[in-house]
Amino acid sequence: DTGVSQDPRHKITKRGQNVTFRCDPISEHNRLYWYRQTLGQGPEFLTYFQNEAQLEKSRLLSDRFSAERPKGSFSTLEIQRTEQGDSAMYLCASSSVAGNSYNEQFFGPGTRLTVL
Amino acid sequence: KNQVEQSPQSLIILEGKNCTLQCNYTVSPFSNLRWYKQDTGRGPVSLTIMTFSENTKSNGRYTATLDADTKQSSLHITASQLSDSASYICVVSARGGGNKLTFGTGTQLKVEL
Repeated sequence: DTGVSQDPRHKITKRGQNVTFRCDPISEHNRLYWYRQTLGQGPEFLTYFQNEAQLEKSRLLSDRFSAERPKGSFSTLEIQRTEQGDSAMYLCASSSVAGNSYNEQFFGPGTRLTVL
Repeated sequence: KNQVEQSPQSLIILEGKNCTLQCNYTVSPFSNLRWYKQDTGRGPVSLTIMTFSENTKSNGRYTATLDADTKQSSLHITASQLSDSASYICVVSARGGGNKLTFGTGTQLKVEL
């Protein structure tokens, strides 16, 4: 257990429905990252926050995706009008910038999304 | 374009044997290189992290090497155990820009009796 938690662990939804995932980072970490991982591939960067500010979004993050980190603690990732191609593992990671030259990212267990 | 390539794609070894996994990268400007272990259906867990000036780092039975000149890294697993069965992912971080990580596709290792 890395200290990063994600909820739910699994989500099955029908195409066209909206889904929301939550990530709780390690409490003192100011950076939070979202990644998407499809079967047999490494994770791909989606977006990251420093405190409550969303500093970068990947081109993978279409208009149907939105992420928030309203108080600089937990974060949510919402997917609207889900498509079958959204089926993947969604991973969250957190890191602390201060005093850490490695900026090591600690990953949560992921949320497995299946869109039927 | 930043890329990380790993070989082999998959590997089966007998328990107790050693193995070496390879990683080549074209990430610039380089910050650090990490090896992660990812069990099926779980998030990645860090094994080692190396910066430009470090060319080897060990974590128990795992030893990683880095050649920043040739942009190659290896992960050596000694005396493999059944619990080593997992995907091993090489990850490179670029300096600046939030230290985004570029992931390889992983080497799927299976350790058998």
